[in-house]
Amino acid sequence: KQEVTQIPAALSVPEGENLVLNCSFTDSAIYNLQWFRQDPGKGLTSLLLIQSSQREQTSGRLNASLDKSSGRSTLYIAASQPGDSATYLCAVKAGNMLTFGGGTRLMVKP
Amino acid sequence: NAGVMQNPRHLVRRRGQEARLRCSPMKGHSHVYWYRQLPEEGLKFMVYLQKENIIDESGMPKERFSAEFPKEGPSILRIQQVVRGDSAAYFCASSPGPPNTGELFFGEGSRLTVL
Repeated sequence: KQEVTQIPAALSVPEGENLVLNCSFTDSAIYNLQWFRQDPGKGLTSLLLIQSSQREQTSGRLNASLDKSSGRSTLYIAASQPGDSATYLCAVKAGNMLTFGGGTRLMVKP
Repeated sequence: NAGVMQNPRHLVRRRGQEARLRCSPMKGHSHVYWYRQLPEEGLKFMVYLQKENIIDESGMPKERFSAEFPKEGPSILRIQQVVRGDSAAYFCASSPGPPNTGELFFGEGSRLTVL
């Protein structure tokens, strides 16, 4: 059974810092890995999708890496802004479903 | 191209009533997934459907819950005789192809409160 763990569970940083969110998964037989953002009371916004054959993806200030053999992914956020405050979710796809981690709650202070 | 549309956004039911949640996938998407997010918990897979077919319902509770995705119209998640423990956010996602291809796009969710 796939299990996805995200560390840290919560993070508070001052504006402008570069930060790294970590995700680990137990079964490396995945199709892809997605990073999402969820604002309180809202839906999920897809940030980055990494196919199992890829090592990383970049979008703006975001960079996600994938090491399938070790079961790890990181989401790097450069020059963080207060508007980045949200919960960040990592999810791996295998079989018919996405399996989600518990999320990292990020607070970026002005 | 409108995103995944879910309605209602908020639904209040009393114990024992029925709840019906609707999901219209993105245009051109024929694969629909339902996920549930219980308070202070992560998202859990419930069911995966294609048009007129339930492909995987391994995450659905055995009783009171059912889902359909008819040839015409939205996908429906139906919860009969709701209990307080059903209070949660229910998210629908869609994709243009089968699970081993591409990303999932999520709706804004339907938040069910059972009194």
